[in-house]
Amino acid sequence: DAGVTQSPTHLIKTRGQQVTLRCSPKSGHDTVSWYQQALGQGPQFIFQYYEEEERQRGNFPDRFSGHQFPNYSSELNVNALLLGDSALYLCASSLGGPATYNEQFFGPGTRLTVL
Amino acid sequence: RKEVEQDPGPFNVPEGATVAFNCTYSNSASQSFFWYRQDCRKEPKLLMSVYSSGNEDGRFTAQLNRASQYISLLIRDSKLSDSATYLCVVNMRRIYNQGGKLIFGQGTELSVKP
Repeated sequence: DAGVTQSPTHLIKTRGQQVTLRCSPKSGHDTVSWYQQALGQGPQFIFQYYEEEERQRGNFPDRFSGHQFPNYSSELNVNALLLGDSALYLCASSLGGPATYNEQFFGPGTRLTVL
Repeated sequence: RKEVEQDPGPFNVPEGATVAFNCTYSNSASQSFFWYRQDCRKEPKLLMSVYSSGNEDGRFTAQLNRASQYISLLIRDSKLSDSATYLCVVNMRRIYNQGGKLIFGQGTELSVKP
């Protein structure tokens, strides 16, 4: 049973560029949440996708957007990259959307460096 | 004020020691509480949920005090393999349809030495 997978593992971009990160949820899960973890900090919630719609959003600018596909996989897009966007981006999958407390399982993350 | 605050750490303890982590949360609408463990450069993994009655899993004991908005984690007989960052996590009330939004503390690093 495959767990949560993310790609790519590492990514280096320059300021102003755009980036797309990908996540495949754990088998049987239909909900994907994205988190940003800066060095030395806890993860911060970016947004959650369920039924192909953004259901909740944290305090992140519109430069951060996402998508969920019919197979429940998800993408995180970040436009106009800033140096401060350098972080570990974590995807978490769960079952049942924002009205549930089901455990979230995290993927290994994508480490983004913005130069 | 941060929504979830933890001891800044790091904690450096010898093998066999007992170590306690403390955490406070600011939003009384918080509904569910957890401790996650994160190894260096890895993803967070659920260590245990925290209940008002307190709960224990082997060497690990978690406590919740809703009145004080305080959560704790106690590790007894520390092992080298316990070295990691421990994250305090809360989840909002389901009625606000925010059941999936985990709010993390900044984490407390634990280093267990031989």
